[in-house]
Parts: sequence; C-alpha cells; structure tokens
Amino acid sequence: GENVEQHPSTLSVQEGDSAVIKCTYSDSASNYFPWYKQELGKRPQLIIDIRSNVGEKKDQRIAVTLNKTAKHFSLHITETQPEDSAVYFCAANLLINAGGTSYGKLTFGQGTILTVHP
Amino acid sequence: GAGVSQSPSNKVTEKGKDVELRCDPISGHTALYWYRQRLGQGLEFLIYFQGNSAPDKSGLPSDRFSAERTGESVSTLTIQRTQQEDSAVYLCASSLVIGNYEQYFGPGTRLTVT
Repeated sequence: GENVEQHPSTLSVQEGDSAVIKCTYSDSASNYFPWYKQELGKRPQLIIDIRSNVGEKKDQRIAVTLNKTAKHFSLHITETQPEDSAVYFCAANLLINAGGTSYGKLTFGQGTILTVHP
Repeated sequence: GAGVSQSPSNKVTEKGKDVELRCDPISGHTALYWYRQRLGQGLEFLIYFQGNSAPDKSGLPSDRFSAERTGESVSTLTIQRTQQEDSAVYLCASSLVIGNYEQYFGPGTRLTVT
C-alpha cells in the first residue's frame, strides 16, 4: 500500500514569513495529492490539491509543487498570517481495486503543526 | 448546500459498552469513508462504502468494529465492547466517485472510553 511521510512535524514562523511543508510518497501510481488544514477541534478542510499531470498549482498565498520522479510534493504558504496557524495534512490518492470496483484511497501524512507568531 | 454531518459530536462511554456513530454524507455523494484520528495523529483509514456496499474494510482494527450504510445516505459505525484505546475522533468523509477524488469531511465524533 501507499506510505506518506510528512515533515516537519512542527513549524514556527513569524507573521509575514513563508512556510514550507514537505511530503514524500511511496507508490508511483498515486495520482492526486490534496492538502488539508485542520484548526483545533474542527474538521479537516481541503485548501489546495494537485493532480499527477500537473507540476505546480497556486491559489493566492498558497501553492503546491509536485515532483513525480522524486515522489515528493510540497505546500508553500507565503506572507503567513496568525490565522494560518493550524495542523496541515498532506495525502496521496491511489486507485484501489476492491470487491470488483475501483476507488480512490487517501493515505495521510502525520500532520504539521504550524504556528504563526504575530 | 449542507455539508457532511455527524452525530453525536461527543460521546463518553464506559469500557465494555457498545457505541454507534452516525454520518450523513453530502447529498449525491456515492462514496463514503470512515477515519479514526487519535490525539495528535494523522487520519487512519477504517472503511470505504460505494453506495451501500463496503468493498474495502481493510482498515477496521478488529472484529469489534463494523459499519453499515443505507442506500447512498446515512452510515453508522458501531464499536462493540469498547476499550480505552478506542478513544479518538471518528471522522466521516464523502465524495463523488467517478474521476473526482476530493473528500469532504464531517466535524467528527469525539469518543472517550472511561
């Protein structure tokens, strides 16, 4: 099965700095890579995603890059703000055949606690 | 529209008791997933439903865990004879299936086994 490693486990930055979180995956057949933000006591929220046929995607202050050869992908947050403080999870999607059907199965990283100091 | 909902939001139970957790997916989403999230940990896959069938139960930790789904709507996760190590947040997610992998999460049920 798929295995996703996420680093760092904690990240502390000053407001206005950039933050980068990196993930590696093991199965080259993984085809979709979402990033979720989870605030304390809240549900995970999808913030950006990228498919395997794209190398980079940007949405305002956040961007994701994908290197399929090296099997790693990264989340970049620029001009960080205190409200960016949360736990961020990466995930890799692998098509699984089970019970005569196929579906996308997400394997998650362990999460990064991002703290942005004002 | 309405997102994924779960109930109860919190559940405290005594060791050995059975609990039932409920998930209402987004209307029209045929795929439904259950995850477990222990304190400070990532999301651990439990089970996947396509409609009301469960082709992948590989993540269920033991035979004390089971799940059902009625049609393409409500799902229940049942934990029998709860143990303290079952304490966690149980998250449900739903998604459209064909070519679309985005999963939308519910708020979770925080289960505490005393």
